[in-house]
Amino acid sequence: SAVISQKPSRDICQRGTSLTIQCQVDSQVTMMFWYRQQPGQSLTLIATANQGSEATYESGFVIDKFPISRPNLTFSTLTVSNMSPEDSSIYLCSVDDRGGTEAFFGQGTRLTVV
Amino acid sequence: AQTVTQSQPEMSVQEAETVTLSCTYDTSESDYYLFWYKQPPSRQMILVIRQEAYKQQNATENRFSVNFQKAAKSFSLKISDSQLGDAAMYFCAYRSFTGANSKLTFGKGITLSVRP
Repeated sequence: SAVISQKPSRDICQRGTSLTIQCQVDSQVTMMFWYRQQPGQSLTLIATANQGSEATYESGFVIDKFPISRPNLTFSTLTVSNMSPEDSSIYLCSVDDRGGTEAFFGQGTRLTVV
Repeated sequence: AQTVTQSQPEMSVQEAETVTLSCTYDTSESDYYLFWYKQPPSRQMILVIRQEAYKQQNATENRFSVNFQKAAKSFSLKISDSQLGDAAMYFCAYRSFTGANSKLTFGKGITLSVRP
């Protein structure tokens, strides 16, 4: 299994500002995944972050709004840029086990934009 | 594209009783994985149980078991001897068996409450 530390656990931000969420894993992993969970909703994949290359974004998500860094095999950041109240969600990072089948999740970041 | 459907938004069960959460999915693939994840108020997503599609035997983990009907594309979760700590949101999820790091597709989730 993988232990994932995600920071911050929650934040309240002013509209128009940006927030960077950090995700640290206790082992080296090839890919890291970022999800958004809007209030009362399911998880939606934002992007997949591969070390040494550009992140791959899902339909409806763009790099200018959600820039991602992946400087090494144990760390990634997701920035939510130019925030609006519609960005209020839980953001989660995830990694796979070595077999690439089971996913492990961070504790999530609860973002409220006012 | 694969889809996962959880049609029940909420369910309630009496403590110590048994409850079944429903999930159906749609796929054209023959090899895949199915999961049930639990998300308590702490927000931490916890894997409850996993089923490989090529296995006919239903997965079991202590009080949790599944009823996997591949032909019907149905994957229900049975929780026996329900406990107060089982109260959470439960997500059914699908993952294709196309190699490592394929995408997880989640259902909308179901909120389970446990009555003392």
